[in-house]
Amino acid sequence: SQTIHQWPATLVQPVGSPLSLECTVEGTSNPNLYWYRQAAGRGLQLLFYSVGIGQISSEVPQNLSASRPQDRQFILSSKKLLLSDSGFYLCAWNRYQNYGYTFGSGTRLTVV
Amino acid sequence: SQQGEEDPQALSIQEGENATMNCSYKTSINNLQWYRQNSGRGLVHLILIRSNEREKHSGRLRVTLDTSKKSSSLLITASRAADTASYFCVIFAFNDYKLSFGAGTTVTVRA
Repeated sequence: SQTIHQWPATLVQPVGSPLSLECTVEGTSNPNLYWYRQAAGRGLQLLFYSVGIGQISSEVPQNLSASRPQDRQFILSSKKLLLSDSGFYLCAWNRYQNYGYTFGSGTRLTVV
Repeated sequence: SQQGEEDPQALSIQEGENATMNCSYKTSINNLQWYRQNSGRGLVHLILIRSNEREKHSGRLRVTLDTSKKSSSLLITASRAADTASYFCVIFAFNDYKLSFGAGTTVTVRA
């Protein structure tokens, strides 16, 4: 069966520090991968998506970046965090276009 | 990307009652999906209804879709405390990889 792992679960980082969040999917190949951010009490905002290794599409210009170094690995990064980067970050995948998403358990990031 | 808009924003019901929430959208869709998010957790996919379907059931969930009115509803029957969560309606337009989420409906089931 397919599983998605996302870590860490919580993270407190100072302003200006770097960020690396990792997401991996098991049990499938060539998944579509997504990074979403959710501000407190709000809906989800799509940040990046990837349909293959090395293919990244950015939805919202910001100081975050994403990479897909391996087929089932999706990384969200920042060189210098801002206070406004605080939020709940969710990784998700699906196998085919238009199919339902499976979400990871999320990372709660607090930038202080 | 387009997104669905849920109504009401919040709903409080007694355990055992039914909960109904609605979703409206503005574009042509391939399918519409409902997700649940328990507080501070990831989202769980509940049900997907395709544009050529009018009604779908999954356990205590019933989803309807009216493409002429560009609207959908999610009914939770015989609600339980564990149904307390936020519910999101998400539309998937044609030729689109991406789902866009609205603010959701927060459901509180009182014991």
